[in-house]
Amino acid sequence: KAGVTQTPRYLIKTRGQQVTLSCSPISGHRSVSWYQQTPGQGLQFLFEYFSETQRNKGNFPGRFSGRQFSNSRSEMNVSTLELGDSALYLCASSLNGVYNSPLHFGNGTRLTVT
Amino acid sequence: DQQVKQNSPSLSVQEGRISILNCDYTNSMFDYFLWYKKYPAEGPTFLISISSIKDKNEDGRFTVFLNKSAKHLSLHIVPSQPGDSAVYFCAASAGIDDMRFGAGTRLTVKP
Repeated sequence: KAGVTQTPRYLIKTRGQQVTLSCSPISGHRSVSWYQQTPGQGLQFLFEYFSETQRNKGNFPGRFSGRQFSNSRSEMNVSTLELGDSALYLCASSLNGVYNSPLHFGNGTRLTVT
Repeated sequence: DQQVKQNSPSLSVQEGRISILNCDYTNSMFDYFLWYKKYPAEGPTFLISISSIKDKNEDGRFTVFLNKSAKHLSLHIVPSQPGDSAVYFCAASAGIDDMRFGAGTRLTVKP
């Protein structure tokens, strides 16, 4: 079974631009959640999508948005990029949701904002 | 708000000895806890979990202990191996589809 695939692996953008990250979950998994990892902050929950609906959202500004398609693939968009958005963005899939079932993570997209 | 805290950013142990990684949480509604391991350039991988109805769960060399009254979680690795060197994240969930992670502890196992 193929794992969670995130593209691209690396991205360099300048302040003010926008970026779209992509995540393909494990086949059959309906939940996709997104996380931001920065040094010292660990993994911070961005949002979770389940069957094309956003089920929960973390404490991030509205510049961070996402969506999920009917094939469970998900995209995350960050608009008006700031230097502080530089981070590793991880997506994870699970069968039924982040609660009570382990998450399967992709290798992440490293975003650098200059 | 750091609802899940790993107060030790790093830990170094000798091969063959026990590694103990600690995690504290503040939200008494958390009822499902997990540990993930992360190698450089890879996403975290699930290691072991425990629900709040238990106080211990074991899987091979890995044991997770939960002390609900102290809101404390620990992961024991016995015996530690050099391949265990990684960053370990504890995570907690309150059943509302919101997973909270600690900042991670970097474990180094020396041969």
